[in-house]
Amino acid sequence: AQSVTQPDIHITVSEGASLELRCNYSYGATPYLFWYVQSPGQGLQLLLKYFSGDTLVQGIKGFEAEFKRSQSSFNLRKPSVHWSDAAEYFCAVGATGGGNKLTFGTGTQLKVEL
Amino acid sequence: SQTIHQWPATLVQPVGSPLSLECTVEGTSNPNLYWYRQAAGRGLQLLFYSVGIGQISSEVPQNLSASRPQDRQFILSSKKLLLSDSGFYLCAWSRDLNEQYFGPGTRLTVT
Repeated sequence: AQSVTQPDIHITVSEGASLELRCNYSYGATPYLFWYVQSPGQGLQLLLKYFSGDTLVQGIKGFEAEFKRSQSSFNLRKPSVHWSDAAEYFCAVGATGGGNKLTFGTGTQLKVEL
Repeated sequence: SQTIHQWPATLVQPVGSPLSLECTVEGTSNPNLYWYRQAAGRGLQLLFYSVGIGQISSEVPQNLSASRPQDRQFILSSKKLLLSDSGFYLCAWSRDLNEQYFGPGTRLTVT
C-alpha cells in the first residue's frame, strides 16, 4: 500500500523568503503525485500534479515541485512567499484502479511572518 | 466547467441523532465520488468512495454509511451520531488519473 510522509508539521517563513515543503512517498510503481492547499475552513485546492515526463512541474500561485525518484520525494517550492500563502499544504499519492484513490500526508501548516 | 456543492456548510447535532450530508457535482458525468473526514489537526481520512450509481466502497468501519442514488449525487448518513463523528467532512470527485477536486466542506459538531 502507498503512503506519504510530510515530516514538517509546522513551518514559519518570512514574507519574501523562499519556501520548500517536504514530501516523501512510498509506492511500488511510478506514482501519481499531487500537492493541495487548504485555507482555514475551506476545501482543498489542487496546486499541481505529476503524472509522468518532466520531473519539475509548475503549478498555480507560483508554486513548483520536483519529482525525485531516487529519493522518493516530491518537494514543493516557491521562490518568494506572500502572506496570502499561509495555509495548510497536503501532499498526496495516487494509485491506478480501484476507484483511483489518493493517500494524503498529514499536512504542513505554513505561517508567514510579515 | 465543473462545480461541486456540499450542504449544509455547518451542522450542530446532538449525540444519537441522525445525519445526512449531501454532495452534488455539476458539469461532468460518471465521476468517481469520495467522502473524507478531517479531524482537528489531522490529515484526511477516506471514508467512502463510489465509481458508479449504487456502488459504494467503505474504507473504514464505523457508524456512517454512504449512498449514491444518482450519477452526480453522493450522500453521507448516520442513524445515530457519536461524539467522535465530529469533524470536517469533505466530498471530492475525479474522472481520470486520480486528480480529485474538493467541495467546500461541512463542519459537523456533535454535542
